[in-house]
Amino acid sequence: EPEVTQTPSHQVTQMGQEVILRCVPISNHLYFYWYRQILGQKVEFLVSFYNNEISEKSEIFDDQFSVERPDGSNFTLKIRSTKLEDSAMYFCASSERGQSSGTQYFGPGTRLTVL
Amino acid sequence: KQEVTQIPAALSVPEGENLVLNCSFTDSAIYNLQWFRQDPGKGLTSLLLIQSSQREQTSGRLNASLDKSSGRSTLYIAASQPGDSATYLCAVPNSGNTPLVFGKGTRLSVIA
Repeated sequence: EPEVTQTPSHQVTQMGQEVILRCVPISNHLYFYWYRQILGQKVEFLVSFYNNEISEKSEIFDDQFSVERPDGSNFTLKIRSTKLEDSAMYFCASSERGQSSGTQYFGPGTRLTVL
Repeated sequence: KQEVTQIPAALSVPEGENLVLNCSFTDSAIYNLQWFRQDPGKGLTSLLLIQSSQREQTSGRLNASLDKSSGRSTLYIAASQPGDSATYLCAVPNSGNTPLVFGKGTRLSVIA
């Protein structure tokens, strides 16, 4: 069964460093998302992406964050200058259709630890 | 702004028991509702998606119901097994065709 994959599974970085989290969505899906989950808290939406552009972003997704689909298969989240509070589990998700009817499928996540 | 609440926060039951998990949401103008399972330190596995026009959806031992007008959904798990132990999350689009808003989840422990 097709699945969303994410790399790396765990990333440790120093405060102020740039990190890139990578995702390979399900191949025929058109809608892509990033969410994050701080330990013990709710899963929170960061950004959605469709047709090679951001379709919606949350207040969390400030100028330090960017997303890119550099080729036909990868979808990346970049954090330019990491802060301690960016430590969280980051989930990529994809769906075949928009949220009005499409199930979102989540990847296993990347645990980001900022020291 | 959409808010999703899940009750109870944690539940411990003996194996074989039937159980119900509850989810409520404040804005009933949703397109669908999705239930997920999350194992500790892992990703989210989609269990069921109910469209706003549906009242329930079934998959194996799981049955999810949706009462859109009252802003509630339930997830019924029949004949629970230790392998069902996980956190169960419900999520809805934040009114209209927008990304998911999650509840905090119910942490289920099924004791053998």
